[in-house]
Formats: sequence, structure tokens, C-alpha cells
Amino acid sequence: DAKTTQPTSMDCAEGRAANLPCNHSTISGNEYVYWYRQIHSQGPQYIIHGLKNNETNEMASLIITEDRKSSTLILPHATLRDTAVYYCIVRFPVSNDYKLSFGAGTTVTVRA
Amino acid sequence: GAVVSQHPSWVICKSGTSVKIECRSLDFQATTMFWYRQFPKQSLMLMATSNEGSKATYEQGVEKDKFLINHASLTLSTLTVTSAHPEDSSFYICSASAPPANEKLFFGSGTQLSVL
Repeated sequence: DAKTTQPTSMDCAEGRAANLPCNHSTISGNEYVYWYRQIHSQGPQYIIHGLKNNETNEMASLIITEDRKSSTLILPHATLRDTAVYYCIVRFPVSNDYKLSFGAGTTVTVRA
Repeated sequence: GAVVSQHPSWVICKSGTSVKIECRSLDFQATTMFWYRQFPKQSLMLMATSNEGSKATYEQGVEKDKFLINHASLTLSTLTVTSAHPEDSSFYICSASAPPANEKLFFGSGTQLSVL
């Protein structure tokens, strides 16, 4: 699976949009971009995933650049409960050896 | 989304004893489950892949005789930490992919193991 690079940490204000960048310059044509988050002392939570097109769900939006070498996760209206470690992962969506490899992620702190 | 239940949430045990952690898929069948370990302030590290009805596949450096995995049914996988020692103290997390497309992994809430 392609390696990803994320900032170590970032702060954002409650109620504002939080934009989390991720670089994945070695991504291959069939690899998807996944985002998970982990709130302290809990298991990771799936947020969103995409291949080429921008995606949106009830939690967030995913913007993938045209060359697919980077992406941005957008939390439209950050709340204090969004404070967590956010992981950007690229991988094939379905395979016989389905597993996720987690990097260090971005520690996001939402401040009132 | 699909629900993965993990039990217990936390456990304290004496050194030398064995501890069993259960991972259940509550509303779907999971032919494959994954076990991760996470030390404080570190990321998740994959320990092993658990396959229903067959032997687990362990990642390099993970002792299969130390961490016994049993996946006897399509909804239950167990991880047994045998002869636990203080260095085994960690946060253990299981996960499973849900049908039909198996595109996403759903995670349990984790088990905090403390070995005294």
C-alpha cells in the first residue's frame, strides 16, 4: 500500500471548518483513499473513502486532487467531539488480504 | 454502520496468567477479523489476521504461541494472551470488514490490558 504523509498535529476552532491534508504521491491507479479517526481510548471509526471523485457523507467531505497525489478531509463544522487522531490510508478496497496499515496520523484538537 | 463488539473493555491480571479477549460482529458475518495492538501515544500495529475455520496469519515479530487466536464462527474471534507479562500491557483492538463489498473496516471499542 502507498505511504501517506500527514501533519503531526493541528488546532481548529469550534464551529469552523477543519481541513486535514494528506499526501500520497506514490498512490497507484486502483488504490482508494480512506480516512479513519480515533478518539482517545476508543477503536478507530470509519469516516469516508474515495477513488477519484470528491465524496461527501454525513460526517465529512473528501477532496482528491486531479493527479490523486494528495487529498483533504474537510469537517464542515468542527465540534469539541471531533478532537481525535485522524488517519489517512491508501489501499485497494477489496482484496483477499484485507488489512489496514496505520501511520502516525494527525492529532486534531478542536478548541472552544 | 456495522457493529463490532469487544469484551472486556479493560482487564487487570497478574503476571503469568492468561487473558482472553472476545471480538464479535453483531449484525453481520465476518469471515476475516483483524487484531491490532496500540501502545500509549503510538499508532495501531497489526498483529494478526483471523480467518474463520483456519489458522490465523501473524505479522512478522508477533509470537503465535504467545497470542493465540481462534475464529471458530463467523461472528466471533478470540485473542488469548498467554502467560502475560507487564510488557504485554497494551490496548488491543479488533476489527472486521462488513459485507457486501467489504470495503470498510469496523472496529471494536478496544481492550486495555494491564499486567501487574
